Amino acid sequence: DQQVKQNSPSLSVQEGRISILNCDYTNSMFDYFLWYKKYPAEGPTFLISISSIKDKNEDGRFTVFLNKSAKHLSLHIVPSQPGDSAVYFCAASGAGGFKTIFGAGTRLFVKA
Amino acid sequence: DTAVSQTPKYLVTQMGNDKSIKCEQNLGHDTMYWYKQDSKKFLKIMFSYNNKELIINETVPNRFSPKSPDKAHLNLHINSLELGDSAVYFCASSQDHASVNEQFFGPGTRLTVL
Repeated sequence: DQQVKQNSPSLSVQEGRISILNCDYTNSMFDYFLWYKKYPAEGPTFLISISSIKDKNEDGRFTVFLNKSAKHLSLHIVPSQPGDSAVYFCAASGAGGFKTIFGAGTRLFVKA
Repeated sequence: DTAVSQTPKYLVTQMGNDKSIKCEQNLGHDTMYWYKQDSKKFLKIMFSYNNKELIINETVPNRFSPKSPDKAHLNLHINSLELGDSAVYFCASSQDHASVNEQFFGPGTRLTVL
């Protein structure tokens, strides 16, 4: 039962263009959403988050959009840089208990 | 100065053996976690401790036993290892167990059971 889904296993983008990573969730009780970035042989690192009471949060080149009615969020990276090449995990928390549920990740390739 | 550290980084062992993975955080956090990343790349929560008390115990075989001697350490002991236990195990910590808190992950321990 995958409560957090990232349906695109990979995404390839040209340097300087926008990267859009998508995430869908099924549990309407989630109240907080986070994106993590992971390089090979390292643990995930926190990137950006959004509360369910907001629809947008921006931090530099990274913006997360939340559409609660569609149970969908997206991470926009603009402009994309080769150093952004990594696996991006979408995560959701707050649906009772103390668990954070992670998606399977999307591997982003940014081509120079 | 590593915030969340795990040892060992790699662990290769035979079926039936018992092994431990250690985790330490120097962030002063109250909450620590163990995750398993399987071959399908999902990060699945296994256990969580808050101030040395167990608060999350997912459906994990009882061959897996976490131990938290203090709030800076959360070790994972695995008895009678099986082939299906092969995975990358990540330790993480957060300020407390509130949903808003980001988690800080260790580098992972790649366990291979032969």
